[in-house]
Amino acid sequence: KAGVTQTPRYLIKTRGQQVTLSCSPISGHRSVSWYQQTPGQGLQFLFEYFSETQRNKGNFPGRFSGRQFSNSRSEMNVSTLELGDSALYLCASSLGPGQRGRPQYFGPGTRLLVL
Amino acid sequence: ELKVEQNPLFLSMQEGKNYTIYCNYSTTSDRLYWYRQDPGKSLESLFVLLSNGAVKQEGRLMASLDTKARLSTLHITAAVHDLSATYFCAVDLRSSSNAGGTSYGKLTFGQGTILTVHP
Repeated sequence: KAGVTQTPRYLIKTRGQQVTLSCSPISGHRSVSWYQQTPGQGLQFLFEYFSETQRNKGNFPGRFSGRQFSNSRSEMNVSTLELGDSALYLCASSLGPGQRGRPQYFGPGTRLLVL
Repeated sequence: ELKVEQNPLFLSMQEGKNYTIYCNYSTTSDRLYWYRQDPGKSLESLFVLLSNGAVKQEGRLMASLDTKARLSTLHITAAVHDLSATYFCAVDLRSSSNAGGTSYGKLTFGQGTILTVHP
């Protein structure tokens, strides 16, 4: 069974630009969560989607947005990039709410560098 | 606000020794996860702990959960070099969903413990 895939794996952007990251969950998984990982702040939750609906959102500014498609694939978008947005962005998939005992499975991440 | 704290943050061990990583969290939860991350890689699920007193073991790693004390431990037995990695605990709290109802899926992570095992 294929794991969680994320594209692109690496990205270099300049301040003020915007970026879109993509995540394809494990087949059959309907819940997708996004996390930002930085050396200073560690792993922080961005959002969670299930059935194309955002169910939860972390404490990030409105420049961070996301969506989920009917095939459970998800995208996140960051507009007006700032230097502090440089991070590893991780996507995780799971079966969905109520699946007690099932972990979230993480993708390889997209490493974003903002210059 | 849920806080998850791990200690120690850095752990240098000799091969063959035992040690324990501690994970404390501030709000009652019955869903706790341990993950491993190798340098430059993603997170790999190690254990899912769902109830008070839960104990899981895989190879040289054993995890336990005490929900009353809000504490989980990851015990390493007879460490080997291959265990060198960063270990994270994460807590999953039921929360109000933006879409109504409740939601799980928002993991709050500890800071991570960087484990180095040397000969």
